[in-house]
Amino acid sequence: TQLLEQSPQFLSIQEGENLTVYCNSSSVFSSLQWYRQEPGEGPVLLVTVVTGGEVKKLKRLTFQFGDARKDSSLHITAAQPGDTGLYLCAASNGSSNTGKLIFGQGTTLQVKP
Amino acid sequence: DAGVTQSPTHLIKTRGQQVTLRCSPKSGHDTVSWYQQALGQGPQFIFQYYEEEERQRGNFPDRFSGHQFPNYSSELNVNALLLGDSALYLCASSLSGIGSYNEQFFGPGTRLTVL
Repeated sequence: TQLLEQSPQFLSIQEGENLTVYCNSSSVFSSLQWYRQEPGEGPVLLVTVVTGGEVKKLKRLTFQFGDARKDSSLHITAAQPGDTGLYLCAASNGSSNTGKLIFGQGTTLQVKP
Repeated sequence: DAGVTQSPTHLIKTRGQQVTLRCSPKSGHDTVSWYQQALGQGPQFIFQYYEEEERQRGNFPDRFSGHQFPNYSSELNVNALLLGDSALYLCASSLSGIGSYNEQFFGPGTRLTVL
């Protein structure tokens, strides 16, 4: 069974602080996505990483895919209250670029003003 | 360009009843996947439809069935509802093919409550 483990599961920080969320697995993935979800809404795609060692930046968010394509991290610089939400990593197995996404259990981020 | 749409937004049913949820994919997408999300958890894959056929299925019982229409829209049917079926049901659309990287775009979900 392929699993994605996210840590931490819950994070409460003050506005302006930095944070990192981790997504780890023992399996190799062909691609990995990060999503952000607000209560009662569907997940919104933030980024897709496909190459081992790849780093992508989206304003204050930095995403990295591990060299072996088994893990990823999301770093937020100077967090703002608008960053509050559930952050999910999701991956496609092995060599497939179709089929199911396997999701981590999510990291709930609360940024207090 | 409309994104993924789902209907209804909310639904309340009683145990033993049947329910049908509907999804229209993002324009240009040909693949629809359905997920079940319990509160505070990541989504769990139910099944995926492509070219009007079920291409892949997750670990869900036969009470969960689906359909994809020629216009790529899709339905999720759940029979003999159980209390444990209460969840947010998410539809995601994607474009199959080389280079797609399986990027799936989600709708707002249907909140199903079973009493």
